[in-house]
Amino acid sequence: DIQMTQSPSSLSASVGDRVTITCRASQGISNYLAWYQYKSGKGPKVLIYGAFTLQSGVPSRFSGSGSGTDFTLTISSLQPEDVATYYCQKYNSAPWTFGQGTKVEIK
Amino acid sequence: EVQLVESGGTLVQPGGSLRLSCAASGFTFSIHGMHWVRQAPGKGLEWVSYISNTGSTMNYADSVKGRFTVSRDNAKNSLFLQMNSLRVEDTAVYYCARLVSPDYWGQGTLVTVSS
Repeated sequence: DIQMTQSPSSLSASVGDRVTITCRASQGISNYLAWYQYKSGKGPKVLIYGAFTLQSGVPSRFSGSGSGTDFTLTISSLQPEDVATYYCQKYNSAPWTFGQGTKVEIK
Repeated sequence: EVQLVESGGTLVQPGGSLRLSCAASGFTFSIHGMHWVRQAPGKGLEWVSYISNTGSTMNYADSVKGRFTVSRDNAKNSLFLQMNSLRVEDTAVYYCARLVSPDYWGQGTLVTVSS
């Protein structure tokens, strides 16, 4: 099975900072990669799908890039409401594996 | 308004069985493949199972294969997860979900496996 490895596992940044989270697949998955935001007390919600397509209603400070095995989620200017855990997920075929998550905090 | 409401979570002993249900409303349930996703205490999201819109295709994580069975009743807009031979490590909040885009998630139901 394809493994999904996210890094870092956690980060602390200041409001306004550019934040980058990476996700690596152990084999190529084309662009079948989604990014989810999971806030404590709320259910997850998709931010990006197809590696770079922004879900309707998601702020434009979020962006995704990559294809094949290496993917990136970028928050261009970190806001207090972005405190959450972020997960990548492959969906080219089963199993639909999630990365282990990246916890984002405000410094 | 889209709603997914899970039920059936409870405390069960190791080796026991449990059936989770998910009631869907606010969208055309019968045209969407559906998933179960879980989150153990202090851990990340773990994909558990998928069932296609017609129920003809089911997939499972290795950690539950042979013990869990996903099913659905499109006439009743319902998704199910039959969990047998439960282990302590199956303790988690279980979510039913339609993944990727659009994504729909329930509020989750807690399954605790403990003696």
